[in-house]
Amino acid sequence: DAGVTQSPTHLIKTRGQQVTLRCSPKSGHDTVSWYQQALGQGPQFIFQYYEEEERQRGNFPDRFSGHQFPNYSSELNVNALLLGDSALYLCASSGDRVEYGYTFGSGTRLTVV
Amino acid sequence: RKEVEQDPGPFNVPEGATVAFNCTYSNSASQSFFWYRQDCRKEPKLLMSVYSSGNEDGRFTAQLNRASQYISLLIRDSKLSDSATYLCVVTRGNQFYFGTGTSLTVIP
Repeated sequence: DAGVTQSPTHLIKTRGQQVTLRCSPKSGHDTVSWYQQALGQGPQFIFQYYEEEERQRGNFPDRFSGHQFPNYSSELNVNALLLGDSALYLCASSGDRVEYGYTFGSGTRLTVV
Repeated sequence: RKEVEQDPGPFNVPEGATVAFNCTYSNSASQSFFWYRQDCRKEPKLLMSVYSSGNEDGRFTAQLNRASQYISLLIRDSKLSDSATYLCVVTRGNQFYFGTGTSLTVIP
């Protein structure tokens, strides 16, 4: 049973560029959430997708956008990259019972130079 | 005020010691509670759920006090492999809120 898979694992971009990160949820999960984790900090909620729609959004600018596909996989897009966007981007999937917790992917480490 | 607050540590303890981590949450409507473990440069992994009645998983004991909005994790007989960051997590609706994590290093 595949867990949550994310790609790519590492990425280096320059300021002003755009990036797309991808996530496939765990089998049986229909909800995908994206988090940004800066070094030494806890994960910060970006947004959550369910039934191909953004269901909730954290305190992130519109430069951060996403999409969910009919197969529940998801993309996170970041436009006009800033140095401060350098972080580990985590995708988490869950089913209809939040009390079972999230399953995280291994993340994409984005470095903006 | 932050949704979840944790003492960031670091906690440096000898093997075999007992160590306790605490966490408070700000919103009384929070519904589910978890401890996650995160190794350096890896993703968080679910350690255990936390219930008001308290729950134990081997050397790990978690406790929730809803009245005080307080969550705890106790690790007994610490092992070198317990070295990691421990994240306190609460949920409200479909959203998970993470603390900044508490760093634990178990020393030989």
